[in-house]
Amino acid sequence: DAGVTQSPTHLIKTRGQQVTLRCSPKSGHDTVSWYQQALGQGPQFIFQYYEEEERQRGNFPDRFSGHQFPNYSSELNVNALLLGDSALYLCASRSWGGLQPQHFGDGTRLSIL
Amino acid sequence: DQQVKQNSPSLSVQEGRISILNCDYTNSMFDYFLWYKKYPAEGPTFLISISSIKDKNEDGRFTVFLNKSAKHLSLHIVPSQPGDSAVYFCAASAGTSGTYKYIFGTGTRLKVLA
Repeated sequence: DAGVTQSPTHLIKTRGQQVTLRCSPKSGHDTVSWYQQALGQGPQFIFQYYEEEERQRGNFPDRFSGHQFPNYSSELNVNALLLGDSALYLCASRSWGGLQPQHFGDGTRLSIL
Repeated sequence: DQQVKQNSPSLSVQEGRISILNCDYTNSMFDYFLWYKKYPAEGPTFLISISSIKDKNEDGRFTVFLNKSAKHLSLHIVPSQPGDSAVYFCAASAGTSGTYKYIFGTGTRLKVLA
């Protein structure tokens, strides 16, 4: 039973570029959330997708956008990259509804030069 | 505004002894709390959770205690093992079913000494 998978593992970009990160949720899960974890900090919520719609959003600018596909997989897009966007980007999945924990992937390490 | 705080950046405990990790929160709307463990180069792994209707939840060596009046929760690990050495994050959420977003603390690095 595959858990949450993310790709790529590592990515290096330069300022001003655009990036797309990908996530496949754990089998049986239909809800995907994205988090940004800066060095020495806890993960910060970016947004959550369910039924291909953004359901909730954290305090991130519009440069951060996402998408969910009919197979529940998701993408995180970041435009006009800034040095401060360097972080570990984590995807988490769960089933919609009820009290249950989210399961995280191993993340994508994004470095901006 | 840090709504979830872990005031101890690090903790060292002898193997076999109890590890106690603490977490404080400020938002009284939080009704679901979780602990995650994170090893380097891996994503956070779910350990244990507790809803606000309970004050204690146990799972093997792990017990989470919730004190709603003090807005405080703690994770007890007994007995501690070297493999428990990792960064531990507490997280909290509030809201209607399904639309939970987790607010994380900054983590406590636990080192269990053999």
